[in-house]
Parts: sequence; structure tokens; C-alpha cells
Amino acid sequence: GQQVMQIPQYQHVQEGEDFTTYCNSSTTLSNIQWYKQRPGGHPVFLIQLVKSGEVKKQKRLTFQFGEAKKNSSLHITATQTTDVGTYFCAFPGGGGGNKLTFGTGTQLKVEL
Amino acid sequence: GAVVSQHPSWVICKSGTSVKIECRSLDFQATTMFWYRQFPKQSLMLMATSNEGSKATYEQGVEKDKFLINHASLTLSTLTVTSAHPEDSSFYICSAAGVKDEKLFFGSGTQLSVL
Repeated sequence: GQQVMQIPQYQHVQEGEDFTTYCNSSTTLSNIQWYKQRPGGHPVFLIQLVKSGEVKKQKRLTFQFGEAKKNSSLHITATQTTDVGTYFCAFPGGGGGNKLTFGTGTQLKVEL
Repeated sequence: GAVVSQHPSWVICKSGTSVKIECRSLDFQATTMFWYRQFPKQSLMLMATSNEGSKATYEQGVEKDKFLINHASLTLSTLTVTSAHPEDSSFYICSAAGVKDEKLFFGSGTQLSVL
């Protein structure tokens, strides 16, 4: 089946530093989604990427979908303490419908 | 955005008892809901797909007799952990897809602790 590795597993930064998490798939993905889960909370949808090479921005967050649609990245510029949480990529899990398989996640901690 | 309500938020029970978790879509109809399980510092693992009016579809390795799913209406799915044991202690989260798109809206999750 599909395998999606997300790196790094854990990142600890100083406030103001940039942060990037990468999602790599062994197979081509039809689309990829990104979610954020705050400590003790539930995942919240951030964005969906569909097109090869697509780049989308949300304020300080930049999302990219690779040309081969096998990898994706989330970059946060000038992190803030509110960015703390675990970021997951997710992709259609097969079998049709809205079933999603989640990546391993990257836990981000931001220090003042 | 769509709202998914999950209840209870946390539950502590004795080993051998059964626990029911409810998941409701408050402002939309969800023909399909998904149940995930998450251990501390780990990713979400899909347990089963709950289909309104029909049997749930379970992922490989998930015991259907252990985790009973009922989706009797377009706004309610329930997960019952039967004869719970300490190894069933986990964070259970339900989700549903919005009507017009593929993104998932998640419930707030249920932290289950089995003593």
C-alpha cells in the first residue's frame, strides 16, 4: 500500500525562526491535504493541494505540491508560539470516498 | 465550516465494561463518517468507515466485534468499545466530510482510559 513519510518527526525552534515539514509518498497522489492538531485538540483542516507543482499561501504558511505529486511541504515563516502543534499531511486512502490516510506528523515546538 | 460534535470528551472505565462514543454532524448530513484512533505522540490511524444505513467498513486488523459502529441516521454515528481493556486506552476521534468537498471535519475526540 501507499507509504507516506513525514519529516522531521519533531522540531524545536526559537520564535521568529522558520520551519518546514516534508511529506514524501512512494506513489503518486491525486491530492494532498494538511491538518494542524494543537496539543490536546483535534485535527483542523488547513489546505488541499491538487495540481502538480501547486503552491498556496496562507499568511505565513506556504504549501507546495511536488511536480510528480509524490511530495509536499509546509513552510512557516517567522514562527510564533501560536504555531505550536503537530502538522499532518493526509491523502486519499484508497477505496474511493473521503477516506484519508495521515502521515506520521511533525510536532512543532516554539520557544520564546 | 461544518461542525462535528463528539461526546463524551473523556471517559474512565473499568476493564471489561463497554463504552459508547457518539459523533454528530450538527449542521450537515453525513452519509459517511470515519473513526480514527490516536496513541500519544502518534498519527491518526483509521479504524473504520461508518456508512449510514449499512454496515461499517473496517480497516485491516481492527476487530469489528470489538469496536461496534452504528450509523442509524445521517447525523449520528456511534462507536462502542466492547469489553474494554487497558490496551484500548487511546484517543478516539470521529470525522465527517463536508457536503461539497473532500476535507474532513473532526470531532473534539474522546480520551478513553481503561483501568
